[in-house]
Amino acid sequence: DVKVTQSSRYLVKRTGEKVFLECVQDMDHENMFWYRQDPGLGLRLIYFSYDVKMKEKGDIPEGYSVSREKKERFSLILESASTNQTSMYLCATLGETQYFGPGTRLLVL
Amino acid sequence: EDQVTQSPEALRLQEGESSSLNCSYTVSGLRGLFWYRQDPGKGPEFLFTLYSAGEEKEKERLKATLTKKESFLHITAPKPEDSATYLCAVQAYDYKLSFGAGTTVTVRA
Repeated sequence: DVKVTQSSRYLVKRTGEKVFLECVQDMDHENMFWYRQDPGLGLRLIYFSYDVKMKEKGDIPEGYSVSREKKERFSLILESASTNQTSMYLCATLGETQYFGPGTRLLVL
Repeated sequence: EDQVTQSPEALRLQEGESSSLNCSYTVSGLRGLFWYRQDPGKGPEFLFTLYSAGEEKEKERLKATLTKKESFLHITAPKPEDSATYLCAVQAYDYKLSFGAGTTVTVRA
């Protein structure tokens, strides 16, 4: 059973904290993506990676960075969390088919 | 800029009442078009990938079709368990994925 796992389902952080969201896949997919999903705005692409150590900005990269040191792991970093980064964060992979992780609901106070 | 527009925003159906969802797109170079189902509080679940105009894919009561400018998701004789938000996305040659806002389908028994 193929899987995309995310490190946390729910997370509460304070403004200014550095936040790490991790995503791990077991499908050997080259492409990995980070999205945020907000009511009324749909899924918006933050960053994606089509190979190890490669990263590309999506539509809303400001305030975020990513790391892909190994093929199976893609990390999203919020350098200094702000309240407007409260959202549902979704990781996804893409090979012949695409799989999403269960999501991390982040609340920044 | 790649764009994906889904219509209608919401669709209310009686059980057994077939209908279609539309996904119109503009993309610089289409690598693939994807359909997903998303239930509340969960990550999107992959349904279909379509690669070229004229292609069709089927799964249970769902059938996806693709033309050069749009894709349709046909729901035949829907059941209440088909209630969900259906998302469409296009992938360009640069691997970037762009999502539509989704169509929320409610099927009443």
